[in-house]
Amino acid sequence: NAGVMQNPRHLVRRRGQEARLRCSPMKGHSHVYWYRQLPEEGLKFMVYLQKENIIDESGMPKERFSAEFPKEGPSILRIQQVVRGDSAAYFCASSPTGASGEQYFGPGTRLTVT
Amino acid sequence: KQEVTQIPAALSVPEGENLVLNCSFTDSAIYNLQWFRQDPGKGLTSLLLIQSSQREQTSGRLNASLDKSSGRSTLYIAASQPGDSATYLCAVFQGAQKLVFGQGTRLTINP
Repeated sequence: NAGVMQNPRHLVRRRGQEARLRCSPMKGHSHVYWYRQLPEEGLKFMVYLQKENIIDESGMPKERFSAEFPKEGPSILRIQQVVRGDSAAYFCASSPTGASGEQYFGPGTRLTVT
Repeated sequence: KQEVTQIPAALSVPEGENLVLNCSFTDSAIYNLQWFRQDPGKGLTSLLLIQSSQREQTSGRLNASLDKSSGRSTLYIAASQPGDSATYLCAVFQGAQKLVFGQGTRLTINP
């Protein structure tokens, strides 16, 4: 059973460009979570999704950030018009159940905004 | 608002020692608690999940305890090895869905 897959592993974008981060959960997992780790800071929750539904987006910045988990395909975290402050490691996690079930993390995407 | 604190921030011990990492949280009304390790530049590896009704959980040389009433969890590592060197993260489930993380303890095991 392959683990959580994220791609790309490293992404470089210039200020003002768009960044798309992809996450494929573990097989059989229908719950996906995105977390962000800013330099020298801890991991912070961003959003929780199930197939075709956003369940909790309380940690998402109000502007420029969006997430989706379509019926088919990976979950996508999209950042429009990136700024230097968006440079961070973005981690995706999946779980077979949303009820405080163990979360399994992917290797992360390291976004650098130049 | 739930806050998770891990002490110490960094720890260096010689190989073979037993050690304890501490985690405290401000809101005792948690669901479950999960311990992870993170290697430099890598993702998180889940070590143990303690359900809110449990007092402790064991996996190999690792033992994690949970005391909800005092807002504390500890991770005990027996017979430490250089391969145990990593950052150890404690996280509590808030609202049954999202994890709130501590800042981590950076552990170095010296051969």
